[in-house]
Amino acid sequence: EAQVTQNPRYLITVTGKKLTVTCSQNMNHEYMSWYRQDPGLGLRQIYYSMNVEVTDKGDVPEGYKVSRKEKRNFPLILESPSPNQTSLYFCASTTSWRVGGTDTQYFGPGTRLTVL
Amino acid sequence: RKEVEQDPGPFNVPEGATVAFNCTYSNSASQSFFWYRQDCRKEPKLLMSVYSSGNEDGRFTAQLNRASQYISLLIRDSKLSDSATYLCVVKPRNTGNQFYFGTGTSLTVIP
Repeated sequence: EAQVTQNPRYLITVTGKKLTVTCSQNMNHEYMSWYRQDPGLGLRQIYYSMNVEVTDKGDVPEGYKVSRKEKRNFPLILESPSPNQTSLYFCASTTSWRVGGTDTQYFGPGTRLTVL
Repeated sequence: RKEVEQDPGPFNVPEGATVAFNCTYSNSASQSFFWYRQDCRKEPKLLMSVYSSGNEDGRFTAQLNRASQYISLLIRDSKLSDSATYLCVVKPRNTGNQFYFGTGTSLTVIP
């Protein structure tokens, strides 16, 4: 089954304690993204990756890091989380028009993060 | 100015009604357009892509107006199961490969 998985699904942590949210896709997509969703602000792109070892900043990259060492995995790292990073996070994997796809994004189930 | 703007609603309509949502975008170089559906804090799922000539999928019709920079979604014969938040998504050609989401329009179909 084609899918995007994220872990953990729920996380409560404290300010400053480094954390990683994992994302994995089994569709061999080149393009992967991280979004955060906040009430009244919609989904905002944090980082995206066009391929292995290629990452770019989205609209709200401050306080986040990503890496893309393998095609299937795109972890999101919060080195020193702060309360303003409390949010619902989605990972997405995209079929690329460049390889005959349609820019359709497939989202993971979301990670609800609370930073105290 | 936001890249993508939507009326947040809520839209409350009776079953069987026809409802339309609009979404405006600010970047005239926008290349790809989509409508996604999101159920109560679950992950968004693609409803349909929007093509220049307009396209239809069952009860759903999407239109693109490049001159006025808006896209629309029309839902005919609304079902209870259509209750969700509908997200407008735009991908400009000249800003790398970013996707921009509207804040969503909430629809509730009432029995």
